[in-house]
Amino acid sequence: DAGVIQSPRHEVTEMGQEVTLRCKPISGHNSLFWYRQTMMRGLELLIYFNNNVPIDDSGMPEDRFSAKMPNASFSTLKIQPSEPRDSAVYFCASRRQGGQETQYFGPGTRLLVL
Amino acid sequence: GESVGLHLPTLSVQEGDNSIINCAYSNSASDYFIWYKQESGKGPQFIIDIRSNMDKRQGQRVTVLLNKTVKHLSLQIAATQPGDSAVYFCAETLGQGAQKLVFGQGTRLTINP
Repeated sequence: DAGVIQSPRHEVTEMGQEVTLRCKPISGHNSLFWYRQTMMRGLELLIYFNNNVPIDDSGMPEDRFSAKMPNASFSTLKIQPSEPRDSAVYFCASRRQGGQETQYFGPGTRLLVL
Repeated sequence: GESVGLHLPTLSVQEGDNSIINCAYSNSASDYFIWYKQESGKGPQFIIDIRSNMDKRQGQRVTVLLNKTVKHLSLQIAATQPGDSAVYFCAETLGQGAQKLVFGQGTRLTINP
């Protein structure tokens, strides 16, 4: 079974540019989560979806961040415009809602904004 | 979960020894707990979980202990191997329907040969 797939694995961009991170959850999982990990703040939940519907986006830092899930097998996290403080590793995770709570994480996208 | 600081707690053990990683969780109403392992450059990987109606659960070489009285969780790894070197996170969540995991700051475990 393929795990959670994220792309790109690494992204280097300049301040002000738009960044789009992509995630494909595990097949059959209907909950999807976006996290951000930094040394200062650890792992933070940004937003999560159930059945493609955003449920809680209270962790999204500001309006520059947006996330979509157009179908059950794809989600994007967009930062526009990007800033150096957005530099972090962004993880996507998925789980099967209603069952065991375990979330399975992807390999992450390491973002560096110069 | 605990607040995050600049430096992770660290634990070094000799290969073959047992290790114990501790975690203090924040919400007395949390009823489900998970331990994750994160190796360098990878995403967190599920190790073991436990519900609040249990105080101990065992897996392969790992045991999780839960003390609800003092809101404490521990992960015991038996006969540690070099591949156990990683950062270990505890996470808590509320209720079957709740999906928000709150992660602790993590502990860096180093296995010395």
